Amino acid sequence: RKEVEQDPGPFNVPEGATVAFNCTYSNSASQSFFWYRQDCRKEPKLLMSVYSSGNEDGRFTAQLNRASQYISLLIRDSKLSDSATYLCVVNRLGANAGGTSYGKLTFGQGTILTVHP
Amino acid sequence: EAQVTQNPRYLITVTGKKLTVTCSQNMNHEYMSWYRQDPGLGLRQIYYSMNVEVTDKGDVPEGYKVSRKEKRNFPLILESPSPNQTSLYFCASSRRPRITDTQYFGPGTRLTVL
Repeated sequence: RKEVEQDPGPFNVPEGATVAFNCTYSNSASQSFFWYRQDCRKEPKLLMSVYSSGNEDGRFTAQLNRASQYISLLIRDSKLSDSATYLCVVNRLGANAGGTSYGKLTFGQGTILTVHP
Repeated sequence: EAQVTQNPRYLITVTGKKLTVTCSQNMNHEYMSWYRQDPGLGLRQIYYSMNVEVTDKGDVPEGYKVSRKEKRNFPLILESPSPNQTSLYFCASSRRPRITDTQYFGPGTRLTVL
């Protein structure tokens, strides 16, 4: 089982639609959570962090359910410019060979969103 | 401008011909890492470095080497590339290797090994 799983989509929605993505993670030791956005063949960029209390940034709302180990992203009033791949990212403490702790990121495979006119 | 740069951006090579992909950051970040991205598999970490002269294997290190002689540079070396190393590679850095620090990614290097 993959440590972070997402529905790969693709999701095809009209402008103005509301769309939601879910992501599940298997490691209960995971401590911080993020959504990254990746445009076609470009680098991932941080969209938003995800907090237990839920958080909102304009049209984007992220939720975390630690008990069920899933994360969600809701996009309201979709724009053409929202078309991208959305990556669910989970961070937990790892340790290197010398025993030093570091934040180990694990990425989901991404969910493709296409917003059409 | 704060950024992570990679070179080359695109490379087509043949099996067995050694190559190096450079990565440089100008943000004085301690933590740097390399990922590869393949369809259906997401980004997977190849190697990481917590500071100068400290490097460690990630999840898929086989066939790769790295070095961290200076804080700003973290080159990825393929001593004898094979077709299964055809992929999209990203270098990333963050201020510290902490659980909450944001990672900044380079623009990517698309490598094809024939």
